[in-house]
Amino acid sequence: EAQVTQNPRYLITVTGKKLTVTCSQNMNHEYMSWYRQDPGLGLRQIYYSMNVEVTDKGDVPEGYKVSRKEKRNFPLILESPSPNQTSLYFCASGPGQGKTGNQPQHFGDGTRLSIL
Amino acid sequence: KQEVTQIPAALSVPEGENLVLNCSFTDSAIYNLQWFRQDPGKGLTSLLLIQSSQREQTSGRLNASLDKSSGRSTLYIAASQPGDSATYLCAVRGNTDKLIFGTGTRLQVFP
Repeated sequence: EAQVTQNPRYLITVTGKKLTVTCSQNMNHEYMSWYRQDPGLGLRQIYYSMNVEVTDKGDVPEGYKVSRKEKRNFPLILESPSPNQTSLYFCASGPGQGKTGNQPQHFGDGTRLSIL
Repeated sequence: KQEVTQIPAALSVPEGENLVLNCSFTDSAIYNLQWFRQDPGKGLTSLLLIQSSQREQTSGRLNASLDKSSGRSTLYIAASQPGDSATYLCAVRGNTDKLIFGTGTRLQVFP
């Protein structure tokens, strides 16, 4: 079954304590991306990756880091979380531009982060 | 800069009604448009994807249309059921892989 798996699903933590949200996909997709979803603002892209070792900033990258050492994994790192990063986060994957690009992107179930 | 708008923001209807959800986008140079469903506390489930060269796609009781030149898409839900209650999101993809999302239509179907 095609899946994008995020962990943890829920996390409450405190300001400044480094955290990592993991994302893994089993579809051999080249493209992976992180979004955050906030009331009234919709989903906004944080970072994306076109392939292993290729990452780039999305629309709201400040305060986040990513890495893509393996094709299946794309972790999101908050080095020093702050309350304004409290949000619902989604990881997505897709085959990538030009690679049967009209296939739908798949999303994980989301990670709800609360930064106190 | 691409902007995506969904109207209405919320909709409450009795079971059995046929519904139309609207999505508009400002830049017609899109690669495809995707409709998603989001249940509370859950992720996004892809419902339909329309390529830029297509006019519509159908899946069961769902039909999505695309008028690229006017920057509009509609999601038609036939014979609505309480299980259709969710937030519906549309997203457009341009010449990159990034999806630009609307803020969604929250649908409630009551018995």
